[in-house]
Amino acid sequence: QSVLTQPPSVSGAPGQRVTISCTGSSSNIGAGYDVHWYQQLPGTAPKLLIYANDDRPSGVPDRFSGSKSGTSASLAITGLQAEDEADYFCQSFDNTLSGHVVFGGGTKLTVV
Amino acid sequence: QVQLVQSGAEVKEPGASVKVSCKTSGYTFTDHFIHWVRQAPGQGLEWMGWINPKSGDTKSAQKFQGRVTMTGDTSINTASMELDSLTSDDAAVYFCARRAGNRRHYDNWGQGTLVTVSS
Repeated sequence: QSVLTQPPSVSGAPGQRVTISCTGSSSNIGAGYDVHWYQQLPGTAPKLLIYANDDRPSGVPDRFSGSKSGTSASLAITGLQAEDEADYFCQSFDNTLSGHVVFGGGTKLTVV
Repeated sequence: QVQLVQSGAEVKEPGASVKVSCKTSGYTFTDHFIHWVRQAPGQGLEWMGWINPKSGDTKSAQKFQGRVTMTGDTSINTASMELDSLTSDDAAVYFCARRAGNRRHYDNWGQGTLVTVSS
Protein backbone atom coordinates (compact mmCIF):
# COMPACT_ATOMS: atom_id res chain seq x y z
CA GLN A 1 0.00 0.00 0.00
CA SER A 2 1.59 3.26 -1.15
CA VAL A 3 1.63 6.34 1.06
CA LEU A 4 0.50 8.48 -1.89
CA THR A 5 -2.68 7.35 -3.67
CA GLN A 6 -3.04 7.42 -7.44
CA PRO A 7 -5.75 5.96 -9.67
CA PRO A 8 -4.52 2.67 -11.14
CA SER A 9 -5.44 3.70 -14.66
CA VAL A 10 -6.70 6.55 -16.80
CA SER A 11 -7.38 6.72 -20.51
CA GLY A 12 -8.04 9.26 -23.20
CA ALA A 13 -8.24 9.68 -26.93
CA PRO A 14 -5.54 11.40 -28.97
CA GLY A 15 -5.81 15.17 -28.60
CA GLN A 16 -7.75 15.01 -25.36
CA ARG A 17 -6.78 16.20 -21.89
CA VAL A 18 -6.31 13.85 -18.97
CA THR A 19 -5.42 14.40 -15.34
CA ILE A 20 -3.81 12.08 -12.82
CA SER A 21 -4.33 12.73 -9.13
CA CYS A 22 -1.95 12.07 -6.27
CA THR A 23 -3.49 12.17 -2.80
CA GLY A 24 -1.42 12.31 0.35
CA SER A 25 -1.86 13.50 3.92
CA SER A 26 -0.76 16.08 6.46
CA SER A 27 2.60 14.38 6.92
CA ASN A 28 3.65 14.64 3.29
CA ILE A 29 1.96 16.77 0.60
CA GLY A 30 -0.16 18.59 3.17
CA ALA A 31 2.95 19.46 5.17
CA GLY A 32 4.17 21.53 2.25
CA TYR A 33 6.65 19.11 0.73
CA ASP A 34 7.16 19.29 -3.01
CA VAL A 35 5.54 16.82 -5.38
CA HIS A 36 7.41 15.47 -8.39
CA TRP A 37 6.18 13.41 -11.32
CA TYR A 38 7.90 10.75 -13.40
CA GLN A 39 7.01 9.00 -16.63
CA GLN A 40 8.05 5.39 -17.07
CA LEU A 41 7.87 3.72 -20.46
CA PRO A 42 7.80 -0.11 -20.47
CA GLY A 43 11.16 -1.64 -19.61
CA THR A 44 12.87 1.68 -18.94
CA ALA A 45 13.86 3.78 -15.96
CA PRO A 46 11.56 6.56 -14.76
CA LYS A 47 12.09 9.95 -16.35
CA LEU A 48 11.58 13.24 -14.54
CA LEU A 49 8.51 15.01 -15.93
CA ILE A 50 7.57 17.67 -13.36
CA TYR A 51 9.53 18.79 -10.30
CA ALA A 52 8.74 21.07 -7.40
CA ASN A 53 4.99 20.78 -8.05
CA ASP A 54 4.80 22.66 -11.33
CA ASP A 55 8.22 23.08 -12.92
CA ARG A 56 9.22 21.32 -16.12
CA PRO A 57 12.78 20.20 -16.86
CA SER A 58 14.13 21.39 -20.17
CA GLY A 59 13.01 19.14 -22.98
CA VAL A 60 9.66 18.21 -21.45
CA PRO A 61 6.81 19.50 -23.65
CA ASP A 62 4.52 22.12 -22.18
CA ARG A 63 1.64 19.70 -22.74
CA PHE A 64 2.61 18.38 -19.31
CA SER A 65 1.79 20.48 -16.26
CA GLY A 66 1.57 19.97 -12.52
CA SER A 67 -0.33 21.53 -9.67
CA LYS A 68 -0.67 21.09 -5.94
CA SER A 69 -3.33 22.05 -3.43
CA GLY A 70 -3.74 20.99 0.17
CA THR A 71 -2.96 17.30 0.53
CA SER A 72 -3.19 16.53 -3.19
CA ALA A 73 -1.40 17.14 -6.45
CA SER A 74 -2.30 16.61 -10.09
CA LEU A 75 -0.57 15.98 -13.37
CA ALA A 76 -2.34 17.23 -16.48
CA ILE A 77 -1.54 16.15 -20.01
CA THR A 78 -3.12 18.05 -22.88
CA GLY A 79 -3.10 17.19 -26.56
CA LEU A 80 -2.71 13.50 -25.74
CA GLN A 81 -0.39 11.58 -28.06
CA ALA A 82 0.15 7.86 -28.53
CA GLU A 83 3.70 8.21 -27.21
CA ASP A 84 2.30 9.41 -23.86
CA GLU A 85 1.10 5.89 -23.09
CA ALA A 86 3.15 4.99 -20.02
CA ASP A 87 3.10 4.65 -16.25
CA TYR A 88 3.17 7.86 -14.21
CA PHE A 89 4.36 8.13 -10.62
CA CYS A 90 4.17 10.95 -8.11
CA GLN A 91 6.80 11.39 -5.41
CA SER A 92 7.08 13.46 -2.26
CA PHE A 93 8.64 13.43 1.19
CA ASP A 94 7.05 12.24 4.42
CA ASN A 95 8.04 13.49 7.87
CA THR A 96 6.98 10.37 9.77
CA LEU A 97 9.17 7.30 10.29
CA SER A 98 12.31 9.44 10.56
CA GLY A 99 11.47 11.11 7.27
CA HIS A 100 11.69 9.42 3.94
CA VAL A 101 10.83 9.58 0.28
CA VAL A 102 7.40 8.31 -0.72
CA PHE A 103 5.91 7.37 -4.07
CA GLY A 104 2.43 6.91 -5.41
CA GLY A 105 1.44 3.47 -6.63
CA GLY A 106 1.55 4.60 -10.23
CA THR A 107 -1.07 5.26 -12.92
CA LYS A 108 -1.18 3.50 -16.26
CA LEU A 109 -2.18 5.93 -19.01
CA THR A 110 -3.74 4.33 -22.06
CA VAL A 111 -4.23 6.33 -25.24
CA VAL A 112 -7.26 4.76 -26.88
CA GLN B 1 26.22 14.57 -20.11
CA VAL B 2 25.23 13.04 -16.78
CA GLN B 3 25.18 9.24 -16.84
CA LEU B 4 24.48 6.59 -14.23
CA VAL B 5 25.40 3.11 -15.45
CA GLN B 6 24.48 0.15 -13.29
CA SER B 7 25.91 -3.33 -13.06
CA GLY B 8 24.27 -6.27 -14.80
CA ALA B 9 21.46 -8.59 -13.85
CA GLU B 10 21.95 -10.95 -10.92
CA VAL B 11 20.46 -14.31 -9.95
CA LYS B 12 20.73 -15.15 -6.27
CA GLU B 13 19.54 -17.92 -3.99
CA PRO B 14 17.35 -17.15 -0.99
CA GLY B 15 19.48 -16.08 1.96
CA ALA B 16 22.28 -14.72 -0.21
CA SER B 17 23.39 -11.12 -0.65
CA VAL B 18 23.46 -9.00 -3.78
CA LYS B 19 25.57 -5.94 -4.55
CA VAL B 20 24.54 -3.50 -7.26
CA SER B 21 26.87 -0.77 -8.46
CA CYS B 22 26.10 2.57 -10.06
CA LYS B 23 28.95 4.23 -11.96
CA THR B 24 28.43 7.94 -12.48
CA SER B 25 29.94 10.37 -14.96
CA GLY B 26 29.40 13.83 -16.36
CA TYR B 27 29.25 15.65 -13.02
CA THR B 28 31.05 15.93 -9.70
CA PHE B 29 30.19 12.74 -7.83
CA THR B 30 30.38 14.33 -4.40
CA ASP B 31 27.95 17.14 -5.26
CA HIS B 32 24.80 15.00 -5.34
CA PHE B 33 23.18 12.39 -3.11
CA ILE B 34 22.55 9.02 -4.72
CA HIS B 35 19.28 7.29 -3.85
CA TRP B 36 18.25 3.69 -4.37
CA VAL B 37 14.75 2.76 -5.50
CA ARG B 38 13.37 -0.65 -6.39
CA GLN B 39 10.43 -1.88 -8.42
CA ALA B 40 9.00 -5.36 -8.03
CA PRO B 41 7.49 -6.92 -11.18
CA GLY B 42 4.35 -5.07 -12.18
CA GLN B 43 4.51 -2.93 -9.05
CA GLY B 44 5.26 0.65 -8.10
CA LEU B 45 8.44 2.35 -6.96
CA GLU B 46 9.80 1.76 -3.47
CA TRP B 47 12.41 4.03 -1.89
CA MET B 48 15.25 2.20 -0.17
CA GLY B 49 17.65 4.88 1.01
CA TRP B 50 20.38 7.34 0.13
CA ILE B 51 24.08 7.97 0.43
CA ASN B 52 25.87 11.30 0.56
CA PRO B 53 29.03 10.56 -1.45
CA LYS B 54 30.85 13.51 0.08
CA SER B 55 30.50 12.45 3.72
CA GLY B 56 29.61 8.78 3.36
CA ASP B 57 26.49 9.35 5.47
CA THR B 58 23.59 7.06 4.66
CA LYS B 59 19.94 6.74 5.54
CA SER B 60 17.69 3.82 4.72
CA ALA B 61 13.98 3.18 4.88
CA GLN B 62 12.95 1.52 8.12
CA LYS B 63 11.96 -1.61 6.20
CA PHE B 64 15.56 -2.19 5.08
CA GLN B 65 17.47 -1.08 8.16
CA GLY B 66 20.00 -3.70 9.20
CA ARG B 67 19.82 -5.41 5.84
CA VAL B 68 21.06 -2.79 3.38
CA THR B 69 24.49 -1.25 3.07
CA MET B 70 25.10 1.74 0.81
CA THR B 71 28.63 2.84 -0.02
CA GLY B 72 30.39 5.29 -2.30
CA ASP B 73 33.85 5.19 -3.84
CA THR B 74 34.98 8.67 -4.79
CA SER B 75 38.05 7.34 -6.61
CA ILE B 76 35.85 5.73 -9.27
CA ASN B 77 32.71 7.87 -8.88
CA THR B 78 30.64 4.81 -8.08
CA ALA B 79 27.89 4.16 -5.56
CA SER B 80 26.94 0.66 -4.48
CA MET B 81 24.06 -0.95 -2.63
CA GLU B 82 24.27 -4.35 -0.97
CA LEU B 83 21.15 -6.13 0.25
CA ASP B 84 21.49 -9.12 2.57
CA SER B 85 19.32 -12.11 3.45
CA LEU B 86 17.43 -12.09 0.18
CA THR B 87 13.95 -13.56 -0.08
CA SER B 88 11.61 -13.93 -3.03
CA ASP B 89 10.09 -10.59 -2.01
CA ASP B 90 13.36 -8.91 -2.96
CA ALA B 91 13.07 -9.90 -6.61
CA ALA B 92 12.88 -6.56 -8.39
CA VAL B 93 14.59 -4.06 -10.63
CA TYR B 94 16.89 -1.86 -8.56
CA PHE B 95 17.56 1.70 -9.68
CA CYS B 96 20.06 4.28 -8.55
CA ALA B 97 19.00 7.89 -9.00
CA ARG B 98 20.72 11.24 -8.60
CA ARG B 99 19.02 13.74 -6.33
CA ALA B 100 18.98 17.00 -8.18
CA GLY B 101 19.26 19.38 -5.26
CA ASN B 102 17.34 20.54 -2.26
CA ARG B 103 13.95 20.02 -3.91
CA ARG B 104 14.37 16.24 -3.40
CA HIS B 105 13.62 15.13 -6.96
CA TYR B 106 15.62 12.77 -9.14
CA ASP B 107 16.90 14.23 -12.39
CA ASN B 108 18.90 11.26 -13.62
CA TRP B 109 18.42 7.52 -13.19
CA GLY B 110 20.46 4.42 -13.83
CA GLN B 111 19.08 1.94 -16.33
CA GLY B 112 18.10 -0.52 -13.60
CA THR B 113 19.47 -3.87 -12.46
CA LEU B 114 17.22 -6.93 -12.39
CA VAL B 115 17.71 -9.10 -9.33
CA THR B 116 16.13 -12.54 -9.45
CA VAL B 117 15.88 -14.59 -6.26
CA SER B 118 15.47 -18.28 -6.92
CA SER B 119 16.68 -21.59 -5.59
